[in-house]
Amino acid sequence: ETGVTQSPTHLIKTRGQQVTLRCSSQSGHNTVSWYQQALGQGPQFIFQYYREEENGRGNFPPRFSGLQFPNYSSELNVNALELDDSALYLCASSRDITGELFFGEGSRLTVL
Amino acid sequence: QKEVEQNSGPLSVPEGAIASLNCTYSDRGSQSFFWYRQYSGKSPELIMFIYSNGDKEDGRFTAQLNKASQYVSLLIRDSQPSDSATYLCAVTWGAQKLVFGQGTRLTINP
Repeated sequence: ETGVTQSPTHLIKTRGQQVTLRCSSQSGHNTVSWYQQALGQGPQFIFQYYREEENGRGNFPPRFSGLQFPNYSSELNVNALELDDSALYLCASSRDITGELFFGEGSRLTVL
Repeated sequence: QKEVEQNSGPLSVPEGAIASLNCTYSDRGSQSFFWYRQYSGKSPELIMFIYSNGDKEDGRFTAQLNKASQYVSLLIRDSQPSDSATYLCAVTWGAQKLVFGQGTRLTINP
């Protein structure tokens, strides 16, 4: 157990809908990173939040957005869902921006 | 060129043998290198990290880094069936981003 919890664990949406995924970071961690992992691929960096501010972003369109709250928990929002958004979404917390990543169990999103 | 490349496998190794997993990366400025293990349907878990050239050993696992060749490897000695998983190589990219390879699927045959 890493102490990082994600919800929901599984969800099914239809194309064009919006989704919000949630992550509670490990105690003492102020940084949260989000990754998308398609089947058979390695995780792809979406963005990182450090002390409630976005601190780096990967090659994802603006319809992927996020938030970090004062307790360092985080949300990932995806608007206008597309079929290719079907993936495992991983949240990882760390003590700071360069610290070891501790992953949650992920949220598996299926877009129909 | 992909930022981090791994042979996707599958790599099949008999029980008790040495499994060798390889990874190359494109950013010469990368400073930190990680190996994660991911069981099917689970999230990645860190098994080794290495920062300096040379070898680093932890139990049955040895990570090897050669920055001049931009190459990092993981050796698993006395392979066990429980080692069957996908192994992800990850490299720091800038100050805040960890870039993963596509993973190598390893199967240990009893």
